Amino acid sequence: DVVMTQSPLSLPVTLGQPASISCRSSQSLVFSDGNTYLNWFQQRPGQSPRRLIYRVSNRDSGVPDRFSGSGSGTDFTLKISRVEADDVGIYYCMQGTHWSYTFGQGTKLEIK
Amino acid sequence: EVQLVESGGGLVQPGGSLRLSCAASGFTFRNYWMHWVRQAPGKGLVWVSRINTDGSYTGNADSVKGRFTISRDNAKNTLYLQMNSLTAEDTAVYYCASFGVDWLQSWWGQGTLVTVSS
Repeated sequence: DVVMTQSPLSLPVTLGQPASISCRSSQSLVFSDGNTYLNWFQQRPGQSPRRLIYRVSNRDSGVPDRFSGSGSGTDFTLKISRVEADDVGIYYCMQGTHWSYTFGQGTKLEIK
Repeated sequence: EVQLVESGGGLVQPGGSLRLSCAASGFTFRNYWMHWVRQAPGKGLVWVSRINTDGSYTGNADSVKGRFTISRDNAKNTLYLQMNSLTAEDTAVYYCASFGVDWLQSWWGQGTLVTVSS
């Protein structure tokens, strides 16, 4: 299976400050159709996961433009330009290129 | 509005069986691949199974191969997960999910808790 490695695993951030999460895959996530199926999910306490970003850099409907995704091949990043209280939760990267699909370990974002 | 509603979770003894259901509405169920993802208490997300639109293809994670069977009934807009030979390691919230065509959507249920314990 493709191993997804996130860092950091814990991310204390001051309100209004930026935050960044790194995700590395053990092999390239470029699919045979040329697309890269790298997703980012947010899971707030007690809730189901919510996808924020698909195919590396595309925001899902309703996701604030404070969230952005970038990267290619095996290295990817989720950035939050200005952290708000509502952003507290665990963030997961996830690859949908190789079966079986795999998630990163999760990064817990908390407010300092 | 898209809705995925899981049911069938509960307490089961080690070695026992359980069948989960996921009732879908608000989208054309028969057109989309469906998935089961689980999350053990306090742990991360793990993909369990996937099934194609007509049920002719299924895929399972190694941890559940030979024990779990994913299936669907397109006439009833319902996804299933038959779980056999359950162990404590299968204790988790089980989510059903769909990602539309080519990962362009992301829909999740609220999850159903399965507890394997004597």
